[in-house]
Amino acid sequence: DGGITQSPKYLFRKEGQNVTLSCEQNLNHDAMYWYRQDPGQGLRLIYYSQIVNDFQKGDIAEGYSVSREKKESFPLTVTSAQKNPTAFYLCASSRRLAGVTEQFFGPGTRLTVL
Amino acid sequence: DQQVKQNSPSLSVQEGRISILNCDYTNSMFDYFLWYKKYPAEGPTFLISISSIKDKNEDGRFTVFLNKSAKHLSLHIVPSQPGDSAVYFCAAAANAGGTSYGKLTFGQGTILTVHP
Repeated sequence: DGGITQSPKYLFRKEGQNVTLSCEQNLNHDAMYWYRQDPGQGLRLIYYSQIVNDFQKGDIAEGYSVSREKKESFPLTVTSAQKNPTAFYLCASSRRLAGVTEQFFGPGTRLTVL
Repeated sequence: DQQVKQNSPSLSVQEGRISILNCDYTNSMFDYFLWYKKYPAEGPTFLISISSIKDKNEDGRFTVFLNKSAKHLSLHIVPSQPGDSAVYFCAAAANAGGTSYGKLTFGQGTILTVHP
């Protein structure tokens, strides 16, 4: 079955600790994205990557970092510099580099910072 | 600056009736629009999309209407079913088919509840 997996589903961390969220896809998609969802605010773009070894900041990149060493993987690190890290994090991927196609989403990771 | 707005946080309808979810946008460069459905603690799933060259797109019980002059789109679900109860997000993109990477701007979402 093709799809996007995110792990873990729930994650708890102490304030001040960095934490890395996993995102893997076997859809052979070129582009991958990270969003966060907060109540009443929809989905906001954190980082995106169009191709391996390349990524760009989205609308709310401060306090986050990413890497794209493999086409299938796009991990997100939430650093201690992120002021409000508690949120629901969603990873997505899409088929083409250029133009707009639908994005496929993973099941999400709920991060709670205590 | 919220470029895509869903002004109704929630909507409640009776099973079998029509559900109409609305979305407004401000960026005149947007030329491709999508609707996603999301259940709690899950990722959104794609429902239906429309290009700005059309004013209507239909897929089964779901129809999306686009009014470019009003910068408004709506999703109609007919007939509504209890399983349609979820959060619905509209999303928009600019320069579809061009060199953009496909960045989507999402609205805040509308919670739809369909009562049996």
